[in-house]
Amino acid sequence: GQSLEQPSEVTAVEGAIVQINCTYQTSGFYGLSWYQQHDGGAPTFLSYNALDGLEETGRFSSFLSRSDSYGYLLLQELQMKDSASYFCAVETTGNNRKLIWGLGTSLAVNP
Amino acid sequence: GAVVSQHPSRVICKSGTSVKIECRSLDFQATTMFWYRQFPKQSLMLMATSNEGSKATYEQGVEKDKFLINHASLTLSTLTVTSAHPEDSSFYICSAREALAGGADTQYFGPGTRLTVL
Repeated sequence: GQSLEQPSEVTAVEGAIVQINCTYQTSGFYGLSWYQQHDGGAPTFLSYNALDGLEETGRFSSFLSRSDSYGYLLLQELQMKDSASYFCAVETTGNNRKLIWGLGTSLAVNP
Repeated sequence: GAVVSQHPSRVICKSGTSVKIECRSLDFQATTMFWYRQFPKQSLMLMATSNEGSKATYEQGVEKDKFLINHASLTLSTLTVTSAHPEDSSFYICSAREALAGGADTQYFGPGTRLTVL
């Protein structure tokens, strides 16, 4: 089967750094995406890694190791507004490319 | 970034009625759109992949006769929940795939439609 694992909950304080890990087991792999979702809202695209290494976008960075089937999302200088759910998703290969989603990590940022 | 709109944002209907949800890519052409359903505190569940000009590909366990998908143009896909029942109450989200430079694709999501069936 296909599965993605990520922690269910993470708690941190303002200004801190948080790393959300994601390991995956899929029949095909094209890339790993990260999405943010606030309560009641739709997912917002954060980053995408197709190749090994680190992608940096402002306070957020994402890392991928294809050989380890592992990636992480790094959030720096945490702000209260970063409290949300974060999903990793693998884009599968083949004619019917689609996203396989993790169950999400609920991040609570406290003052 | 690319913008995807979804209409309506919220709908309340009586059991047995049909509800149509529209998904539009506003500033790009999307040959592929996706329809998801999300229950509270759960992850997104892919219902179907909608390809412009062809039949949708449904995920296992999703009834194609109940969830009708039409992707008539490169910017519009519709999901119709036929004969809706209370168990169909959920958050329905569409996304549109945009091809990016270097061969990478990404999906941009609409704001979602919260369906409540009484």
